[in-house]
Amino acid sequence: NAGVTQTPKFQVLKTGQSMTLQCAQDMNHEYMSWYRQDPGMGLRLIHYSVGAGITDQGEVPNGYNVSRSTTEDFPLRLLSAAPSQTSVYFCASYRDINYGYTFGSGTRLTVV
Amino acid sequence: AQSVAQPEDQVNVAEGNPLTVKCTYSVSGNPYLFWYVQYPNRGLQFLLKYITGDNLVKGSYGFEAEFNKSQTSFHLKKPSALVSDSALYFCAVRLEGHGSSNTGKLIFGQGTTLQVKP
Repeated sequence: NAGVTQTPKFQVLKTGQSMTLQCAQDMNHEYMSWYRQDPGMGLRLIHYSVGAGITDQGEVPNGYNVSRSTTEDFPLRLLSAAPSQTSVYFCASYRDINYGYTFGSGTRLTVV
Repeated sequence: AQSVAQPEDQVNVAEGNPLTVKCTYSVSGNPYLFWYVQYPNRGLQFLLKYITGDNLVKGSYGFEAEFNKSQTSFHLKKPSALVSDSALYFCAVRLEGHGSSNTGKLIFGQGTTLQVKP
């Protein structure tokens, strides 16, 4: 099925560990983005990409890295996990304004 | 600063009654506005969008939204609420990026929980 696929769905990390959240889309969308969702704060933009090889920071980029080597994949890396990064992470892709945004099902991350 | 506000954390309505979930925005230029719904432990699902044209936009599941430029609002409405409409609703605005007309950054409100009681 066409869409945005996120893995893993759940993850528990210890403080200081690193990991990569995977995001892949098969719709040939140029634009992809990562959000984190925290209670009462809505979704906040972490990083985004307007195409392969191009990334930029969103509202809350600290502690996260991204790369975009292909159109399909947009992984999010946590370099040294902190309890403040406990959140639900959503990846989204976008074709153009007439088609809106497609979201993945999310990754629930707990840092202990 | 460009922003989206949803002034109500929770909206409670009885099944069969009309519902309104409020959203106001502050952006420079013409806004592109969206509503998304999130059911428990699920991702966000697109409901409707306003780009240009008719101020009343119709979307999925019987929802509609009214764009009001003078009040900078984009309230979500439904004539008759269902218990199954209970969920978390997000209003969002697309921003124009720097250096490109298609960067597509989406800024969200904090969300409004809709509770529809039988």
